[in-house]
Amino acid sequence: QVQLVQSGAEVKKPGSSVMVSCKASGYTFTNYGFSWVRQAPGQGLEWMGWISANNGNIKYSQNFQGRVTMTTDTSTSTVYMELRSLRSDDTAVYYCARDGGLRYFDLWGRGTLVTVSS
Amino acid sequence: DIQMTQSPSTLSASVGDRVTITCRASQSISRWLAWYQQKPGKAPNLLIYSASNLEAGVPSRFSGSGSGTEFTLTISSLQPEDFATYYCQQYYTYSFTFGPGTKVDIK
Repeated sequence: QVQLVQSGAEVKKPGSSVMVSCKASGYTFTNYGFSWVRQAPGQGLEWMGWISANNGNIKYSQNFQGRVTMTTDTSTSTVYMELRSLRSDDTAVYYCARDGGLRYFDLWGRGTLVTVSS
Repeated sequence: DIQMTQSPSTLSASVGDRVTITCRASQSISRWLAWYQQKPGKAPNLLIYSASNLEAGVPSRFSGSGSGTEFTLTISSLQPEDFATYYCQQYYTYSFTFGPGTKVDIK
């Protein structure tokens, strides 16, 4: 079954870091790239960055440059997103999304809720 | 960054209605535009890519058109399962941006 399975919900303190994982299955992992997209409660979609599962090339949104790191582990077909220096306005559902090279997203994970609260 | 706008922000319609949503880009993006549907508590789902190409498995009542800076998503006959929020996304540049969304609700 073609799917992206994300890690579970997290509660974090301001100033800390969070790492969200996204495990791909049912297709050839290295044929695709992945983006991370977040959605604050009741808000729209915000693109955070993209990583190629083929060669590790990365593009980060300027809004997150310096605070986010995206990595892949081809041995487990897993993509990771680490966000540092968390603030309360980082509270959101974080989605991983697959793209086939044309940069639109044809497969999405179910999302991971990250709550930042003291 | 390329800014995306959508109109209307909310649309009230009835089952069977023809519905049109407009998406505008702050500069030309050729046809590098996708449309997604999102239902509450769910991830977005791809409907249209490259402005007018229907994703596999998406009902043919959905269609897209446009190029440059102005695009439309049309639902030819609204069905009960189509009440949702719709987002456009530009992928002309590697700083992808989404429109703010259009919520289609029951009239």
